[in-house]
Amino acid sequence: SQQGEEDPQALSIQEGENATMNCSYKTSINNLQWYRQNSGRGLVHLILIRSNEREKHSGRLRVTLDTSKKSSSLLITASRAADTASYFCATGTGANSKLTFGKGITLSVRP
Amino acid sequence: GAVVSQHPSRVICKSGTSVKIECRSLDFQATTMFWYRQFPKQSLMLMATSNEGSKATYEQGVEKDKFLINHASLTLSTLTVTSAHPEDSSFYICSARDLAGNYGYTFGSGTRLTVV
Repeated sequence: SQQGEEDPQALSIQEGENATMNCSYKTSINNLQWYRQNSGRGLVHLILIRSNEREKHSGRLRVTLDTSKKSSSLLITASRAADTASYFCATGTGANSKLTFGKGITLSVRP
Repeated sequence: GAVVSQHPSRVICKSGTSVKIECRSLDFQATTMFWYRQFPKQSLMLMATSNEGSKATYEQGVEKDKFLINHASLTLSTLTVTSAHPEDSSFYICSARDLAGNYGYTFGSGTRLTVV
C-alpha cells in the first residue's frame, strides 16, 4: 500500500524559479527519501533524511522533515529545464527495509 | 556510488511464454533486493523482497508462482514472469542498497515488458 502522498500532483514553473514539493505519510518511519525519475527510466536517489533530522541540503536541493506532522518537503532552487521529471518520496522503516512510495509529482520546468 | 544493472531494458514476448529479468549489483554485495512494478503515470508498487539464499517475501496480492524470484548470489537476483499475459505488461524495476555506504537505494534502469 502507498504511504506517501505528494502534492501537488503536477507542477509547472519557469526556469530559474524554485520548485517546492510536499509529501505526507501516515506511519512511523526511520527515514524518508526523495527520488527522481525521467520518463521510462529507473529512479535516481536524490537525498535521504533520517527521522532524527529536520533539514538537509545537497546542492540545489533542500529537504525538510517534520515528524510531528508526518510531512516532508523538497525544494529545488534555481530550477533548470533538465529538472523536468517525476519526483517521488519514499519512506523506510529501517536501514534496509522496503520502501513505500508516494504517487509522485510531475515537475515541468519551462525554458 | 553503487550501481545496479538491470537487463533487458525492453522485452516483447508472446502470451504464454516466460520472461526472465536480471538485476545485478555491480560494485557491492546486496543481501536484499527489491522488485517493483510500475504502471504508466503511476507510482512504484513493491512486488517482493528478494533475500540471498532464501525464499523471497511477496507482498499481498502478488502471485509467487507467477513471479518467480531467485537470489542465488550476493550480486544477482532474477525475476521470471511465467506464462505471461497482456495484463502483465508493465515496467519492472529492481533496487538494492549498499549498506556500506550512506546513501539511499540504488535502482536499476527498469525493464519494459510488453506481452502480445
